[in-house]
Amino acid sequence: AQSVTQLDSQVPVFEEAPVELRCNYSSSVSVYLFWYVQYPNQGLQLLLKYLSGSTLVKGINGFEAEFNKSQTSFHLRKPSVHISDTAEYFCAVLGAGNNRKLIWGLGTSLAVNP
Amino acid sequence: NAGVTQTPKFRVLKTGQSMTLLCAQDMNHEYMYWYRQDPGMGLRLIHYSVGEGTTAKGEVPDGYNVSRLKKQNFLLGLESAAPSQTSVYFCASSLTDEQFFGPGTRLTVL
Repeated sequence: AQSVTQLDSQVPVFEEAPVELRCNYSSSVSVYLFWYVQYPNQGLQLLLKYLSGSTLVKGINGFEAEFNKSQTSFHLRKPSVHISDTAEYFCAVLGAGNNRKLIWGLGTSLAVNP
Repeated sequence: NAGVTQTPKFRVLKTGQSMTLLCAQDMNHEYMYWYRQDPGMGLRLIHYSVGEGTTAKGEVPDGYNVSRLKKQNFLLGLESAAPSQTSVYFCASSLTDEQFFGPGTRLTVL
């Protein structure tokens, strides 16, 4: 069965500091991985995705993630965060089968403090 | 393009009342999904649809029904609301891999 584990439920960080949000996955099929962001009182929007090719994926707002097959990880990073990055971040893997369901992690709440 | 829209944005119900949440997308997507989001529980899939006229159960379908009579619309119904259904409901649609989300409906059941 496929699963996603986000290793930190909350990550506090100071503005302009680097941040890493950790995501591990379990999958027996080809892996398509996603990071979504949810700003307060909004819906989710795609930050970046890995389908194939380069293992370093760049997304919007200066975020990037690295797919590591041997460690079954897809950690999200940003070298310097802003107050506006305060949000909930979700990691997800595309499920097997043709229903295109996403298997979601429980989310990581990133709080950027001045 | 409006993308994915949800109606209403907020609703307060009394226990036992019924209501329908409407999701509409203008991207010609085949796949549509209904999720609920509760604190500490992430997103949980209620029902989904892989095309017009089809629906299937997700991980938490009890107490909900859905219909997809038109490709662009996906309706979520609560026949007899319960306080446990107090949540934020999100609709999403997809063509291939990425899911596009609506802004959500905040439902409170008293």
